[in-house]
Amino acid sequence: QKEVEQDPGPLSVPEGAIVSLNCTYSNSAFQYFMWYRQYSRKGPELLMYTYSSGNKEDGRFTAQVDKSSKYISLFIRDSQPSDSATYLCAMSAGNYGGATNKLIFGTGTLLAVQP
Amino acid sequence: NAGVTQTPKFRVLKTGQSMTLLCAQDMNHEYMYWYRQDPGMGLRLIHYSVGEGTTAKGEVPDGYNVSRLKKQNFLLGLESAAPSQTSVYFCASSYVAGSAQETQYFGPGTRLLVL
Repeated sequence: QKEVEQDPGPLSVPEGAIVSLNCTYSNSAFQYFMWYRQYSRKGPELLMYTYSSGNKEDGRFTAQVDKSSKYISLFIRDSQPSDSATYLCAMSAGNYGGATNKLIFGTGTLLAVQP
Repeated sequence: NAGVTQTPKFRVLKTGQSMTLLCAQDMNHEYMYWYRQDPGMGLRLIHYSVGEGTTAKGEVPDGYNVSRLKKQNFLLGLESAAPSQTSVYFCASSYVAGSAQETQYFGPGTRLLVL
């Protein structure tokens, strides 16, 4: 079983729809949760960053973390064609003993927003 | 401020050839990383560095070597390329302050094809 599971999609929605992207994980030590957006043939860029449980909102994007269920979500409101990309969840247990914060990535969900 | 840059952007190698991928960052970040991204596998950590002169193995280090002679540069070497190393390679960097998780910033990627 992978440490982080993410539905690869593709997910196709009409413009203006609410999009829900999800990841589940198995390591209860994870406490830092991120969503990266990756456009075709580009590098990933950080979209949202959340520490521990709770919600975080940034414009049309909302990240939710439910540590009790080991489940994280990214919601996109009023989706736009420019949101078409692959969305990667990533998480880590944080810094420990001087070692690096190794990020564990999901495989990514391909989203297409149709105009 | 260019962020994270990678050279070359694309390369074709024959089996057994060697090459070096160069990553440079101008953000004065301490940590640097090399990932590979393959369909259905997500991003996997090859090697990383927590500072100038240091390197460590990640999840999939076999067949690769790295060096961090200068803080701003992180080199990934393939001594004898194999078709299994056909992939997209991403470099990333982060600045870690205390015990807080810091964002990893990614480069645009290098597409490598090994024939």
